[in-house]
Amino acid sequence: AQSVTQLGSHVSVSEGALVLLRCNYSSSVPPYLFWYVQYPNQGLQLLLKYTSAATLVKGINGFEAEFKKSETSFHLTKPSAHMSDAAEYFCAVSDSGGYQKVTFGTGTKLQVIP
Amino acid sequence: NAGVTQTPKFQVLKTGQSMTLQCAQDMNHNSMYWYRQDPGMGLRLIYYSASEGTTDKGEVPNGYNVSRLNKREFSLRLESAAPSQTSVYFCASSPTQGAYGYTFGSGTRLTVV
Repeated sequence: AQSVTQLGSHVSVSEGALVLLRCNYSSSVPPYLFWYVQYPNQGLQLLLKYTSAATLVKGINGFEAEFKKSETSFHLTKPSAHMSDAAEYFCAVSDSGGYQKVTFGTGTKLQVIP
Repeated sequence: NAGVTQTPKFQVLKTGQSMTLQCAQDMNHNSMYWYRQDPGMGLRLIYYSASEGTTDKGEVPNGYNVSRLNKREFSLRLESAAPSQTSVYFCASSPTQGAYGYTFGSGTRLTVV
C-alpha cells in the first residue's frame, strides 16, 4: 500500500527565506509524486509532478522538488518566500502501475512572516 | 476556461435530509473523483469513476452514492445526511487515471446539523 507523510502540519518562514516542506513516501512500485497548493476557500491546484523523468522537477510560482529514491523523499523547496506563498501544501503519491490510485498527505500550512 | 465546476458552494442540511452535489468538467477528461477534506486528515477518496459508465468505491464510501451521468458529469448523493458528513467536498478530474495530476473544483462546504 502506498502512503505519504508530511513532516510538520505548520511551517513558518520569513519573507525572503528558504521554503522547505518535507514529504516522505512509501510505495511498493516506482511512484508518481505530486505537490498541490490550496489557497483559502479554494480547491487544490497542481504545483508540480514527478513521473520518472528528471529527478529535479520545476513547478509553478518558483517551486521545485527533488525525487530521492534512496531517502524515499520528495521535498518541496523555494529559494525565497513571498507573502503570496502562504497556503496549505499537499504531497500526493500514486503507483505507476495498475489503477494508479492517488493518496494525499495530511497537508502543511505555510505561514510567511513579513 | 471553466475546468471543474461544483454546485452548490455552500449547503446546510438537517440530519436525515438528502441532497446531491453536482460536478461537471469541460476538459474531456475520462476519470472523475469525489473527495472529502476534513481538518488534519487531508483528502480522502469517496468514490471515483475511471471512465464513463464505471464507478468504484474509494476509501470512505459509506453513506454516499454516485452517478456518472455522462463523460462530463459526476454527481455525489447523500441519501440520509449525518453530522459526520459535515465536510468540504471536492470533485476532481484527470485525463486518465493518476499520472497526469488532477484538476479540482472549488469545493462544496456542507454542514449537517
